[in-house]
Amino acid sequence: SAVISQKPSRDICQRGTSLTIQCQVDSQVTMMFWYRQQPGQSLTLIATANQGSEATYESGFVIDKFPISRPNLTFSTLTVSNMSPEDSSIYLCSVEEGAGGWETQYFGPGTRLLVL
Amino acid sequence: GQNIDQPTEMTATEGAIVQINCTYQTSGFNGLFWYQQHAGEAPTFLSYNVLDGLEEKGRFSSFLSRSKGYSYLLLKELQMKDSASYLCAPMDSNYQLIWGAGTKLIIKP
Repeated sequence: SAVISQKPSRDICQRGTSLTIQCQVDSQVTMMFWYRQQPGQSLTLIATANQGSEATYESGFVIDKFPISRPNLTFSTLTVSNMSPEDSSIYLCSVEEGAGGWETQYFGPGTRLLVL
Repeated sequence: GQNIDQPTEMTATEGAIVQINCTYQTSGFNGLFWYQQHAGEAPTFLSYNVLDGLEEKGRFSSFLSRSKGYSYLLLKELQMKDSASYLCAPMDSNYQLIWGAGTKLIIKP
C-alpha cells in the first residue's frame, strides 16, 4: 500500500489562528480524503479532494473554515481556519488504492491538534 | 438514515478467541471493511467482505450476511498487541465509508 506522511504530527495553537496540515503520498492517487476524529469518537469525513477539481465537502463542513488544496496526485493540504477549542481533534488524510478488485482506504499517521 | 451498531468495549484473555459483532443499515451496499486502530494511531486495514460468507486471513476472519445487515470479526489466539479499537465500516451506494464508533478490545493476560 501507499506510504502516507503528514506534517505536522502534532501542534498546539491559539484560538483565532490557522493551521495548514500537509499530506504527502509516495505514489500517484486519484482520491484523497480528509477526516477528523475526536477522542473516543468515530471518524468524520470532512471532504474529498480530487486533483484538478474543487474539494467536495460533507454536511457541516465549509470551504471557508476548511480550505483544501490538491495541486497534484501526490499531495494535499487542509487548513483549519480561525480555530476554536472545538477544533481540537486528530486530523487524518487517507488515500484510496485498488488491490484485489476493490478500492481500500489507507490512512496517514494523523495530526494531533490542540487549540487553547 | 445510516447506522452502525457495535459493542463499545469487550474484554478477552490472551490466547482465547473473541468475536466482534457489527450490524449496519446503509443506503445501498458496496461491501464492508474492518479496520484496527491502536490508541493514538491511525486506522489500518484488516479485511473487506462484499459477498456473504467467511473470509479468513491468518488469525483474523471476517464474516458477512448482507440479508441480515450483519458482520463479525473473529480474532483467534489473542495476543496482547491485539488490544485496540476495531472499526466496522460498510460502504454505501455512493462508495462512501460509513464509520461506527468502534469496539475497544482489552486483552488481559
